[in-house]
Amino acid sequence: EVQLVESGGGLVQPGGSLRLSCVASGFTFSSCWMRWVRQAPGRGLETVANIKDDGGEKYYVDSVKGRFTISRDNAKNSLYLQMSSLRDEDTAVYYCTSAIRGDSRDYWGQGTLVTVSS
Amino acid sequence: DVVMTQSPLSLPVTLGQPASISCRSSQSLVHSNGNTFLNWFQQRPGQSPRRLIYKVSNRDSGVPDRFSGSGSGTDFTLQISRVEAEDVGVYYCMQATHWPWTFGQGTKVEIK
Repeated sequence: EVQLVESGGGLVQPGGSLRLSCVASGFTFSSCWMRWVRQAPGRGLETVANIKDDGGEKYYVDSVKGRFTISRDNAKNSLYLQMSSLRDEDTAVYYCTSAIRGDSRDYWGQGTLVTVSS
Repeated sequence: DVVMTQSPLSLPVTLGQPASISCRSSQSLVHSNGNTFLNWFQQRPGQSPRRLIYKVSNRDSGVPDRFSGSGSGTDFTLQISRVEAEDVGVYYCMQATHWPWTFGQGTKVEIK
């Protein structure tokens, strides 16, 4: 059974930092591009960052460039999102998900809530 | 960024009747490799999103065949041939041709 389990969310003050983690099982993690997608409360979906299967390419949406860093450890089947200089508008549920465009592999975690508030 | 525009934003449907959602992109979604990376996702209340369709018309594993996708270039459609109660939720189109990958605003499907 495929599983993606996120952790690390919580309440943080504006300007603070947080590190999200996602542990994958049930599929060949090291052969999958991965991404973080977020959803602000009551709002739509936004792709935050993508990372290549070997970690050699990374892409960020403009609103998080320079503040967020996506990374992975294929030996641990894990995906990470280091978030710093957090803003109110970063408040959202963050989903760990696969980023495969060309075939039927599509995996999602249950999400972890990040709340940025003073 | 590529803007994805869905219509309608709210879709009340009768059980057993068909439903259709439109998605238009602000630029062509044909990739330089010839593929068109247009996806459809379903998000049921309280759940994570789930992809239904990839590359315009390919159903993901386990997706009922009452869901179908069509279109080309900048105009795409998701059709549900006969709506069932479990289809209630929000549907999003998403393009993965141009970075950043962008979603439509979502279409809320509810039963009349």
